[in-house]
Amino acid sequence: AQSVTQLDSQVPVFEEAPVELRCNYSSSVSVYLFWYVQYPNQGLQLLLKYLSGSTLVESINGFEAEFNKSQTSFHLRKPSVHISDTAEYFCAVSEGGSNYKLTFGKGTLLTVNP
Amino acid sequence: NAGVMQNPRHLVRRRGQEARLRCSPMKGHSHVYWYRQLPEEGLKFMVYLQKENIIDESGMPKERFSAEFPKEGPSILRIQQVVRGDSAAYFCASSPPSHNEQFFGPGTRLTVL
Repeated sequence: AQSVTQLDSQVPVFEEAPVELRCNYSSSVSVYLFWYVQYPNQGLQLLLKYLSGSTLVESINGFEAEFNKSQTSFHLRKPSVHISDTAEYFCAVSEGGSNYKLTFGKGTLLTVNP
Repeated sequence: NAGVMQNPRHLVRRRGQEARLRCSPMKGHSHVYWYRQLPEEGLKFMVYLQKENIIDESGMPKERFSAEFPKEGPSILRIQQVVRGDSAAYFCASSPPSHNEQFFGPGTRLTVL
């Protein structure tokens, strides 16, 4: 069975500082990896995904994540955060063969302070 | 192209009542998924449906919970005889047949008094 671990439940940072949100997974088969963002009282929005190909994937708003198969990680990074990035971030994995069932981590609350 | 729609957004029920949650997938999407988010937890998969078929209900509680996705109309998640532990946010997602991405609705927040 697959599982996802987000080591940090909360990450407070100052505006314009860099940030890394950590995600590790376990699976016995090939996986697809996702980062979703949830703003207060809203649904989840896909931030970025890794399906195959280049291990570095980027979003339109400056986030990036790198798939590291040897370390079974998919950490999310941004070199300079904005207050509007304050939200809950969820890492998720699905198995490549039957890839409809997403397994989510518990989430990391990113709080960007002025 | 409207996104995934869920209604109601907020639902309050007393213990023992029934809760019906509705989900309309994105246009062109024939696959629907339901997830439950308990307080301070990540989302947990409940069920995966295609039109008129339940494909995988391995995440559904064995009793009181049921789901359907009829030929016409929205997908319904039904919870009978609700208990306080059912209080949670219930999210619906839809995808095209490729499954490469699931698009989530805004969720229904169920509160059981």
